Amino acid sequence: DAGVIQSPRHEVTEMGQEVTLRCKPISGHNSLFWYRQTMMRGLELLIYFNNNVPIDDSGMPEDRFSAKMPNASFSTLKIQPSEPRDSAVYFCASSGQVSNQPQHFGDGTRLSIL
Amino acid sequence: DQQVKQNSPSLSVQEGRISILNCDYTNSMFDYFLWYKKYPAEGPTFLISISSIKDKNEDGRFTVFLNKSAKHLSLHIVPSQPGDSAVYFCAASGDSWGKLQFGAGTQVVVTP
Repeated sequence: DAGVIQSPRHEVTEMGQEVTLRCKPISGHNSLFWYRQTMMRGLELLIYFNNNVPIDDSGMPEDRFSAKMPNASFSTLKIQPSEPRDSAVYFCASSGQVSNQPQHFGDGTRLSIL
Repeated sequence: DQQVKQNSPSLSVQEGRISILNCDYTNSMFDYFLWYKKYPAEGPTFLISISSIKDKNEDGRFTVFLNKSAKHLSLHIVPSQPGDSAVYFCAASGDSWGKLQFGAGTQVVVTP
């Protein structure tokens, strides 16, 4: 079975550029979560969706960050304009419809903003 | 506000012995707890979970214990194997959406 798929795996870009991270959740999962991992803050939840609808975006650090889920099989996290402090590993995770289901993570996108 | 705490950043254990990882939480509304294992350059992998209605859950070499009165859970790995060397994250959820709060992680090194 295919797991959560994230692309790209690595992204290096200059500050000020737009960055788009992509995620394909596990088929049949109806919840999708975006996380950011840094040394200082660990794994922090940015935003999550249920049935393609954003439920809580209180973890999104600034208006420069936005996320969309146009359908059940695709989500994007966009940073515009990017800044060096956005450098981190970004993970996407999905979980199933029954309550108390574990989240399954993709392998992340390592983002470096120069 | 760190609601899930793993106070040991690292743990070294000999192969074949028991690894015990600890986790404390502050939010009494948490009712579902999980452990994840993470290798470098990979995403966290789900290991084992426990609901607040239980105090123990076992899956092969992995056992999770929950002490609700102390707001404490632990993960036991017996016997430890070299492939268990990884970072282990404790996580907790208390809402119907499955939103998770993660601890900072514990780096486990299993030595031969």
